[in-house]
Amino acid sequence: GAVVSQHPSRVICKSGTSVKIECRSLDFQATTMFWYRQFPKQSLMLMATSNEGSKATYEQGVEKDKFLINHASLTLSTLTVTSAHPEDSSFYICSARVGADTEAFFGQGTRLTVV
Amino acid sequence: QKEVEQNSGPLSVPEGAIASLNCTYSDRVSQSFFWYRQYSGKSPELIMSIYSNGDKEDGRFTAQLNKASQYVSLLIRDSQPSDSATYLCAVKAGSYQLTFGKGTKLSVIP
Repeated sequence: GAVVSQHPSRVICKSGTSVKIECRSLDFQATTMFWYRQFPKQSLMLMATSNEGSKATYEQGVEKDKFLINHASLTLSTLTVTSAHPEDSSFYICSARVGADTEAFFGQGTRLTVV
Repeated sequence: QKEVEQNSGPLSVPEGAIASLNCTYSDRVSQSFFWYRQYSGKSPELIMSIYSNGDKEDGRFTAQLNKASQYVSLLIRDSQPSDSATYLCAVKAGSYQLTFGKGTKLSVIP
């Protein structure tokens, strides 16, 4: 399958600071990237969908000013958690797909801990 | 609202047995169906996709789809301890994003 690389894999930050997570498609151009959040023993919850060159579409209940998504190229999307709080601690996972009818491939995930 | 339902488990099977994982979905226009395996602390890994009614086999894995019953299943033959993981069912309608079930935790007992 296609390779999606996500960095960092783990990050610990202080409350009030911002954290940037990168998601790269290494061997294909991703027209669409998705950002998910997963709390312990819960399923993946879609946060937002981003298409290259346009604004991200956020799911209901997800604060767009807190979770900034940039999809500046066909191979890179970033998620910035701004003014992080302990309740933002979670496993953040990106996925990418080539086209509308193709499956999505996941990055390795980022374990964010806010202290 | 699109829903994908899975029994959370845990489902325990002895090594060498067949593990049967089930999933139902609510959106009748769903067209694409996927099974992902997720080990603890890791991101999901695609193991099977199925798009038409019937069975699709890939090694020890068989996906079964019944659109009339809105039901998709995954069979794992000759289960191994390394198959112990959470299995996520995901459904997609057209170009929309995937909708995931909550996952079934499988434990294969040596």
